[in-house]
Amino acid sequence: QEKVQQSPESLIVPEGAMVSLNCSFSDSASQSIWWYQQHPGKGPKALISIFSNGNKKEGRLTVYLNRASLHVSLHIKDSQPSDSAVYLCAVSNTGNYKYVFGAGTRLKVIA
Amino acid sequence: EAAVTQSPRSKVAVTGGKVTLSCHQTNNHDYMYWYRQDTGHGLRLIHYSYVADSTEKGDIPDGYKASRPSQENFSLILELASLSQTAVYFCASRGQGGSGNTLYFGEGSRLIVV
Repeated sequence: QEKVQQSPESLIVPEGAMVSLNCSFSDSASQSIWWYQQHPGKGPKALISIFSNGNKKEGRLTVYLNRASLHVSLHIKDSQPSDSAVYLCAVSNTGNYKYVFGAGTRLKVIA
Repeated sequence: EAAVTQSPRSKVAVTGGKVTLSCHQTNNHDYMYWYRQDTGHGLRLIHYSYVADSTEKGDIPDGYKASRPSQENFSLILELASLSQTAVYFCASRGQGGSGNTLYFGEGSRLIVV
């Protein structure tokens, strides 16, 4: 069964800092890797996904995938207090019908 | 944006009682999911469905049943609620085509079993 591990567990940064979140997965045949953002008392919301090795940039977000090392990272540029949330890494199986989530990284951005 | 609504949003149940959590989506999605969230465990898949009148077991199905009477509705049933089932439950649906394989989540149902 796929295992997804995230680090760090929590992170506190000043406003404007670059944030780096890590995610390791166990199955090299996994299809897509997703990052979700979850604010307190709310459901997770999809931020960005990646399938191929390399990087993908959307606005202030950049995600890097290295399938050989089974590692993906999310970088948030110019972090804002509104970015304070739990970030969940999710990996989908072949066929993209099952998603395994990591335990999450709790981010706090201080103004 | 895809809309997924859950009810009830919060519930206190007694041990041994029956609990039904309901989920409704209005976006014509084929796949629907039930996850539970516990501190330190992230989201764990309980049951999912890809077509009406059919459900599949996820990674932690023990103690739960699911029902998909229509494409729009997906229920999670706890026949005999136990203390260990205290958690927040999330329903999600999966988009296709232009929305890719994005999961759209509801706001969650907080269940406390006493």
